Amino acid sequence: AQSVTQLDSQVPVFEEAPVELRCNYSSSVSVYLFWYVQYPNQGLQLLLKYLSGSTLVKGINGFEAEFNKSQTSFHLRKPSVHISDTAEYFCAVRINAGGTSYGKLTFGQGTILTVHP
Amino acid sequence: DAGVIQSPRHEVTEMGQEVTLRCKPISGHDYLFWYRQTMMRGLELLIYFNNNVPIDDSGMPEDRFSAKMPNASFSTLKIQPSEPRDSAVYFCASSSRDTYNEQFFGPGTRLTVL
Repeated sequence: AQSVTQLDSQVPVFEEAPVELRCNYSSSVSVYLFWYVQYPNQGLQLLLKYLSGSTLVKGINGFEAEFNKSQTSFHLRKPSVHISDTAEYFCAVRINAGGTSYGKLTFGQGTILTVHP
Repeated sequence: DAGVIQSPRHEVTEMGQEVTLRCKPISGHDYLFWYRQTMMRGLELLIYFNNNVPIDDSGMPEDRFSAKMPNASFSTLKIQPSEPRDSAVYFCASSSRDTYNEQFFGPGTRLTVL
């Protein structure tokens, strides 16, 4: 079965500093990868996704992520964060296989990013 | 597009009462998911449907929980009887096979069982 590990439960950072949120996955088959963001008291919304092609994907709000197949990682980065980026971030994987796993996303435990002024 | 709609947004009830949460997925989506989110356990998948048929309900915590999807535009999650440990935010999400199953989440229902 596939799994997702977000290596940091909390990441504090100062405004305008760069940030990286780490995500590793395990799967015996090919996968699609997603990053979602959850602002306080809201549902999750998609930041970016990797389906195929270029391993560097760009998303909304200046975020980007790089798919590294050999390291089974999909780390999220932003070169300069804002106070408004304070939120919880979830990495998720969808495997390309049939059965009851098809269509389902497996989520990591989430990383709380706190941007300080 | 109105997005995924959930109702109610907040529900406060007493232990032992029946609770029904409702979800309207995005039109044209063929997958629907129910999640529960708590501080202790994070985001948990409870059940999901494909074309109105339950595919995987292994995350439903116990028989007190049940979910139905009578048609493509409506689903319910019912808890009977409710207990304080059911207090959580319940999210509904929908997706389409045509768009690689990117999931679109509703705003959630915050349930408090006293």
